[in-house]
Amino acid sequence: GEDVEQSLFLSVREGDSSVINCTYTDSSSTYLYWYKQEPGAGLQLLTYIFSNMDMKQDQRLTVLLNKKDKHLSLRIADTQTGDSAIYFCALAGGTSYGKLTFGQGTILTVHP
Amino acid sequence: NAGVTQTPKFQVLKTGQSMTLQCAQDMNHNSMYWYRQDPGMGLRLIYYSASEGTTDKGEVPNGYNVSRLNKREFSLRLESAAPSQTSVYFCASTLGEAFFGQGTRLTVV
Repeated sequence: GEDVEQSLFLSVREGDSSVINCTYTDSSSTYLYWYKQEPGAGLQLLTYIFSNMDMKQDQRLTVLLNKKDKHLSLRIADTQTGDSAIYFCALAGGTSYGKLTFGQGTILTVHP
Repeated sequence: NAGVTQTPKFQVLKTGQSMTLQCAQDMNHNSMYWYRQDPGMGLRLIYYSASEGTTDKGEVPNGYNVSRLNKREFSLRLESAAPSQTSVYFCASTLGEAFFGQGTRLTVV
């Protein structure tokens, strides 16, 4: 089955850029997602990228996909204290058709 | 357009009791999912339904059953609740984009 790995923790200063990384095993995944979860809340879809794209930019968010290395990243520019949350990458499609598989989440802490 | 709606939001059960968690989506999505989230464990897939009429086991199906009642609804049933099933449960649906319900906080005492 699909394996999705993320670093557990990331700490940055307010105003810096944050880069959250995700690696995966199924190179045929079709959709790659980034979710944000604030304490006690549900999951909020931040952005997603199709597997035939290398990059997607949406305001402060930039998603980069390196299919050769099976590496997905989320860059948050000008990180704010309100960005502190858990960030999950998730993959769907490919050999795991119909399944949506998550990484274990990266806890982002933004210091003033 | 409500998206994905889960009920109930909170529930406390005694060990051995049964209950059904309800999930409905109004986006005409094919695939629906049930996850549980435990501290430090991320989201673990319990069951999923790739399309109406099909269901498949995920990583942690033991102790659960599901029903894909129609394209809109996907329910999760605990036949005999155990304290190990204390968790936050999320339903999701996808057709390309994936959306989540707000979660059900279940405590089994």
